[in-house]
Amino acid sequence: AQKITQTQPGMFVQEKEAVTLDCTYDTSDPSYGLFWYKQPSSGEMIFLIYQGSYDQQNATEGRYSLNFQKARKSANLVISASQLGDSAMYFCAMREGGNTGTASKLTFGTGTRLQVTL
Amino acid sequence: SQTIHQWPATLVQPVGSPLSLECTVEGTSNPNLYWYRQAAGRGLQLLFYSVGIGQISSEVPQNLSASRPQDRQFILSSKKLLLSDSGFYLCAWKRDREYNSPLHFGNGTRLTVT
Repeated sequence: AQKITQTQPGMFVQEKEAVTLDCTYDTSDPSYGLFWYKQPSSGEMIFLIYQGSYDQQNATEGRYSLNFQKARKSANLVISASQLGDSAMYFCAMREGGNTGTASKLTFGTGTRLQVTL
Repeated sequence: SQTIHQWPATLVQPVGSPLSLECTVEGTSNPNLYWYRQAAGRGLQLLFYSVGIGQISSEVPQNLSASRPQDRQFILSSKKLLLSDSGFYLCAWKRDREYNSPLHFGNGTRLTVT
């Protein structure tokens, strides 16, 4: 079964509008973390925002916010006031398990390609 | 500040040839290190990770191998490349024992096997 599901292969948004990129996850572990990354056409992976499973409030980082709905197992990324430079692939990722002292692994979704238009 | 270097940026290799991709991290010690592969238009697949020198965990049993000869050096290798090895290879690091720490990625190597 997919651990991370991103159902939107592509999205369009007009400049200055807000956009929501969907992410649902599957885990039975009570302790986990959710991450969003941006991948421009250059290929680099840029970390955007993090949400821990025990965090009481939704994470925010500048124009990025995470709509975390634990019961629904969703962690949607909201980008406000879209800019042309936001055009990129966006990946949701999950880390399961608490800090056991071992390297923890990120499992990635298949991504959503966002195109910002004028 | 910490930086991660990955090279080469682009590589074209014939089937059956060997492979060596190198990744180094600066500005930190004892990082956790990772190799991911991304097929065209797809998500990232974890290949190997390492918590210390000489300690390698494999996620995908293939004709690829990884080594960590020094604390901040991570090498991805193959003795004989297959066509299916083509893809975008990303090295990443994170702080050891910091659960909330994100992965920081290098700029990637685009490998084409012909």
